[in-house]
Amino acid sequence: AQTVTQSQPEMSVQEAETVTLSCTYDTSESDYYLFWYKQPPSRQMILVIRQEAYKQQNATENRFSVNFQKAAKSFSLKISDSQLGDAAMYFCAYISGGTYKYIFGTGTRLKVLA
Amino acid sequence: ETGVTQSPTHLIKTRGQQVTLRCSSQSGHNTVSWYQQALGQGPQFIFQYYREEENGRGNFPPRFSGLQFPNYSSELNVNALELDDSALYLCASSSGGGYYGYTFGSGTRLTVV
Repeated sequence: AQTVTQSQPEMSVQEAETVTLSCTYDTSESDYYLFWYKQPPSRQMILVIRQEAYKQQNATENRFSVNFQKAAKSFSLKISDSQLGDAAMYFCAYISGGTYKYIFGTGTRLKVLA
Repeated sequence: ETGVTQSPTHLIKTRGQQVTLRCSSQSGHNTVSWYQQALGQGPQFIFQYYREEENGRGNFPPRFSGLQFPNYSSELNVNALELDDSALYLCASSSGGGYYGYTFGSGTRLTVV
């Protein structure tokens, strides 16, 4: 069975600094997709960034980028120039091709210090 | 785009009762999924509807059931509520599968007492 592990329950970063959130996953599939979602206190999950397993190039969205290490089954999120609005729960999620469900990690709470 | 809206936002029910949660999917989206998020946990997949048919289900008992309507809105019904059903219930919509990401609603916080 596929699993997603986020080993950092909580992280802190100074405003304008860079922080990296970790995620590892386990799967025997070759066709899958990985995501980072942000959940602020408003509770709505917001898509931050997406990575397709067959693409070697790491995805980037403005200040957000990933380090996708397929062999190591690692998918970390780097947030550059952290802003107060980045404070939230961050969830790593996995979905394999041909299936319907996301498998989420347990989340990392990010605190941004002014 | 109006996004995904869920109602009600909060709900308190008594053990053994039944509850219906509602979700309006984002315009243009034909797929709706429901997730249960217990406090301090990641969301767990309940089921997914595509064009009014359930086409995937997670490890939830039959007392969790759903509907999708012709306008692609959806309901989640839970019968015989148990204390462990207390959670945030999230609805998510997409066009097709979730491979390009879902649009989530803000959830319904259900408390069973």
